[in-house]
Amino acid sequence: GESVGLHLPTLSVQEGDNSIINCAYSNSASDYFIWYKQESGKGPQFIIDIRSNMDKRQGQRVTVLLNKTVKHLSLQIAATQPGDSAVYFCAESSGYSTLTFGKGTMLLVSP
Amino acid sequence: NAGVMQNPRHLVRRRGQEARLRCSPMKGHSHVYWYRQLPEEGLKFMVYLQKENIIDESGMPKERFSAEFPKEGPSILRIQQVVRGDSAAYFCASSPQSSDTQYFGPGTRLTVL
Repeated sequence: GESVGLHLPTLSVQEGDNSIINCAYSNSASDYFIWYKQESGKGPQFIIDIRSNMDKRQGQRVTVLLNKTVKHLSLQIAATQPGDSAVYFCAESSGYSTLTFGKGTMLLVSP
Repeated sequence: NAGVMQNPRHLVRRRGQEARLRCSPMKGHSHVYWYRQLPEEGLKFMVYLQKENIIDESGMPKERFSAEFPKEGPSILRIQQVVRGDSAAYFCASSPQSSDTQYFGPGTRLTVL
């Protein structure tokens, strides 16, 4: 289930389950959104992105959904594996470049 | 094609010393971004540079911090007279164009004693 820890929201799932990680953004002018995965001690790793002229984009085992009306972004991971355990960040930008990162969600996958 | 490279990976400094963090972007990328991450927090934008130009430094503290991206060589983030509050992970990202996906390096973890 999903819980809010002292610092990071945490989502705990069983191996093989589908995971959904949510993100609310605040800037209605944002037109580009990215999901990053960060493992302990490493830099953020690009997973998938979506521009504001789309509401859904699929990758390998991952799908990003964008709801501009309520300023909500979600990342769906199919058949979650222990290697998916990490902190997941959504990031948004408007115009040219600067990314604004969300707080992050820790995904814990149990075998 | 090597990814974004950062060095050193770990840096320990005493209060008052200088810290120099280096970032080599991916081949073909001319846009570099620096971010800072405190424990269990998201990354916070600091500065955006192109070759020999600072494009946006709105996230950079006004004092003690500076960044450059010379025509030749890596981008440098410089922190003078470090204080304990500067302890953090500093990440560099690069992209080929300003509107493209940013790819991150492994980070430099700065510890100020």
